[in-house]
Amino acid sequence: AQTVTQSQPEMSVQEAETVTLSCTYDTSESDYYLFWYKQPPSRQMILVIRQEAYKQQNATENRFSVNFQKAAKSFSLKISDSQLGDAAMYFCAYRSAWQGAQKLVFGQGTRLTINP
Amino acid sequence: GAVVSQHPSWVICKSGTSVKIECRSLDFQATTMFWYRQFPKQSLMLMATSNEGSKATYEQGVEKDKFLINHASLTLSTLTVTSAHPEDSSFYICSARESGAVSSPLHFGNGTRLTVT
Repeated sequence: AQTVTQSQPEMSVQEAETVTLSCTYDTSESDYYLFWYKQPPSRQMILVIRQEAYKQQNATENRFSVNFQKAAKSFSLKISDSQLGDAAMYFCAYRSAWQGAQKLVFGQGTRLTINP
Repeated sequence: GAVVSQHPSWVICKSGTSVKIECRSLDFQATTMFWYRQFPKQSLMLMATSNEGSKATYEQGVEKDKFLINHASLTLSTLTVTSAHPEDSSFYICSARESGAVSSPLHFGNGTRLTVT
C-alpha cells in the first residue's frame, strides 16, 4: 500500500519570505499523481498544485512550485513571497494513475504559520 | 469550476439517533465519491468509496453497518451515521471526481461537523 509522510508537523515563515514543505511517499508504481492541498481554518480543501509522475518538469502555479524527485520519492512544496493568506494546514497526497484506483492517500499535514 | 455541495455544514444530535449527510456534485456527474473523516489537527482518513448503483467499498476498520452509504444517482451520495455516539463526533468531508475524467483532481465539499451529545 502507498504511504505519504510529512515530517514537519509545523512550520513558520516571515511574511514575504520563502518556505519549503517536505513530503515523501512510498509506492511500487511507476505512474501516479501527486498533489498539495491547502486547508485553511474554514476547513475547505483547496488544491494548490499537482504533478504527474511521468512529467519530469516540476509543476508551478504562481508563487507555488514543487521539487519532484521521482527516484528519491520526494515531493516538496515551495511557497515564495509568503502571504498571510497562505497560513493553513498543507497536505501532500498521492493517487495511483491506474483507472480503477481513484482514492487519495494523504500525509499527516504540516501547519504553516505566517509571521507578519 | 466543478463544485461539490455538502449538507449540512454542521449538525448536533443526541446519542442513539441517526444523522444523514448529503454530498452533491452540482455541475458534473460523479460515478464515484469518497467519504473522509478528519479528527482535530489530524489528516483526512478515507472511510469509504461510494459507487453509483452499487455497494460502497469500506476501508479496513470502518463499520459498514454504522456508516451507511447510498449513492443513488450520479450527483448524490449520502452518509448516514446510525445510532450515533459521542465518539462519532468528527468532521466528515466528501469528495468527487467527474466521471470519465481519470486525470482530473478531486473536488471537495465544505465538510460537515458532527457533534453527538
